[in-house]
Amino acid sequence: NAGVTQTPKFQVLKTGQSMTLQCAQDMNHNSMYWYRQDPGMGLRLIYYSASEGTTDKGEVPNGYNVSRLNKREFSLRLESAAPSQTSVYFCASTEGTGSRYPFGSGTRLTVV
Amino acid sequence: AQSVTQPDIHITVSEGASLELRCNYSYGATPYLFWYVQSPGQGLQLLLKYFSGDTLVQGIKGFEAEFKRSQSSFNLRKPSVHWSDAAEYFCAGVATNKLIFGTGTLLAVQP
Repeated sequence: NAGVTQTPKFQVLKTGQSMTLQCAQDMNHNSMYWYRQDPGMGLRLIYYSASEGTTDKGEVPNGYNVSRLNKREFSLRLESAAPSQTSVYFCASTEGTGSRYPFGSGTRLTVV
Repeated sequence: AQSVTQPDIHITVSEGASLELRCNYSYGATPYLFWYVQSPGQGLQLLLKYFSGDTLVQGIKGFEAEFKRSQSSFNLRKPSVHWSDAAEYFCAGVATNKLIFGTGTLLAVQP
């Protein structure tokens, strides 16, 4: 039982390149989330998926797209990376309100 | 808007001293509240959570938190801090199925 798995763990991109961050959970959770963490700002919600087939914007969605591929997987795509997207990205999931929110180990992304 | 506030950006305590980290929330109904800890370069570890019932919640590593509705607070406490407790601490609350975080408190422990 791996919980929430994120890949890759580290990535360096050049400005304008694209990439997809992968997240998978094996707990049969309905909801999944993408956050970014920047110094002094805590974790800010980028996008979330309340259930398979649905996605919604969070606090900081600009420059990102997401896909809820199936119940297990929720990917985050940067179409044209910018230095402002340098951050640590975390994925989380939950069965629903009142349940725990386990997190992945994070992806450290640097855009140069 | 529903929010979580951590008023203290940085706190330094001496090893063996007591600790209290503040967290305030703004929610209409009974909130679901969490405390997480993050060591440098690491992921998030859940310390404890409050959903309902007893307002004093026990967590891992000797931490506890008390939910006070009258003060809209969920402060984290530990009676005696160890050097290994140096980390960043995040308070979070659930708003319409979304987990919303405070900006964090960085704890330094001096010998």
